[in-house]
Amino acid sequence: EVQLVESGGGLVPPGGSLRLSCAASGFTFSTYAMNWVRQAPGKGLEWVSYISSTSTTIYYADSLKGRLTISRDNAKNSLFLQIHSLRADDTAVYYCARPYFGDYVSPFDYWGLGTLVTVSS
Amino acid sequence: EIVLTQSPGTLSLSPGERATLSCRASQRIGVSYLAWYQQKPGQAPRLLIYGTSNRATGIPDRFSGSGSGTDFTLTISRLEPEDFAVYYCQQYDGSLGTFGQGTKVEIK
Repeated sequence: EVQLVESGGGLVPPGGSLRLSCAASGFTFSTYAMNWVRQAPGKGLEWVSYISSTSTTIYYADSLKGRLTISRDNAKNSLFLQIHSLRADDTAVYYCARPYFGDYVSPFDYWGLGTLVTVSS
Repeated sequence: EIVLTQSPGTLSLSPGERATLSCRASQRIGVSYLAWYQQKPGQAPRLLIYGTSNRATGIPDRFSGSGSGTDFTLTISRLEPEDFAVYYCQQYDGSLGTFGQGTKVEIK
């Protein structure tokens, strides 16, 4: 069974940094690209970042470019997202999501439950 | 960046009725690159449709997708009680894709 479990969220002061993790199981992680998607409270979905299976291709949302670092450890079946210079409007649930078509930019067939990041003093 | 605009914002219908949801893109999208999701409160989104009209694994056939160019539609032929939720379209034509703002299907 495919499982994605995010962790690392919490309360962070404005200007702070956070590293989110996603532990994957139930599939061959090293053959799939992976993604981060966020959802502010009561709002819609925002695709935040994409990383290919071998980390050779990385995309970031323009709204967050310069403040994000996505990475992965295929040996440990883990995905990471580092966010710097956090602002109040970064408050959201952050989901990791697996693409339907392996190592391509494609829709997401499996999602984690998400981890809540709250930016507040 | 391609902007997706969904309409209506809220759709009030009764179980058994037909739901028609619209997703309009700010520029042309290839038919292979449009998806639809369902999201219920407190849950992650669920993939319903990919490539405009292909149902994802396990999705019942009352859900169907159509469209081309800049105009796409999700149709739920007969609403079941579990279908009342928020629906998002997503385009993935290029690098990082975008989502629409969502349509809420509520019980009338």
